[in-house]
Amino acid sequence: KAGVTQTPRYLIKTRGQQVTLSCSPISGHRSVSWYQQTPGQGLQFLFEYFSETQRNKGNFPGRFSGRQFSNSRSEMNVSTLELGDSALYLCASSLEVQGSGANVLTFGAGSRLTVL
Amino acid sequence: DQQVKQNSPSLSVQEGRISILNCDYTNSMFDYFLWYKKYPAEGPTFLISISSIKDKNEDGRFTVFLNKSAKHLSLHIVPSQPGDSAVYFCAASGRSGNTPLVFGKGTRLSVIA
Repeated sequence: KAGVTQTPRYLIKTRGQQVTLSCSPISGHRSVSWYQQTPGQGLQFLFEYFSETQRNKGNFPGRFSGRQFSNSRSEMNVSTLELGDSALYLCASSLEVQGSGANVLTFGAGSRLTVL
Repeated sequence: DQQVKQNSPSLSVQEGRISILNCDYTNSMFDYFLWYKKYPAEGPTFLISISSIKDKNEDGRFTVFLNKSAKHLSLHIVPSQPGDSAVYFCAASGRSGNTPLVFGKGTRLSVIA
């Protein structure tokens, strides 16, 4: 079955612009999470959506937003881009069966954003 | 405040020997701990997990040990292979669905042939 698909894979923007990243989860997965990876900072949690509702949110400014559609596909948007927003943005989905143990996330390959 | 810490940014091991990657955490409410492996230009892939009620979980060459009293876990890879060279992330979470996975900063493992 198809994995988590993220588009675009690479993009370059300039300061002040905005960007929208897209994520298609594994079929049947209703939870979608977004993470930011920067050198030396590991994966920092942005937000999580479940059944079109934001369920959890990380410690990022309001310039970072997201949404989930009825087919579980998700988008994240970053407005007024700053140089420090250059990062790999990772989307992950999970099946989330209650009581099944660890919530294992399956990640996409990421969207690498460069802000000039 | 970092809840999951991987204090070694890098580790080099000879092929065939044991690789030990360490992880410390501060939140005693974590229920599950996971290890992910990441190759360049790919997303992280799940390796192995352990519940907080266990102290060891084994899957082939990979074993994770959990010491709750010390708030410490480790991933053992034996024997190490060149294909194991990657960045390894430790992650932790509360009960499924209620809390997001919290990741460490990663340890880059290099297995030298």
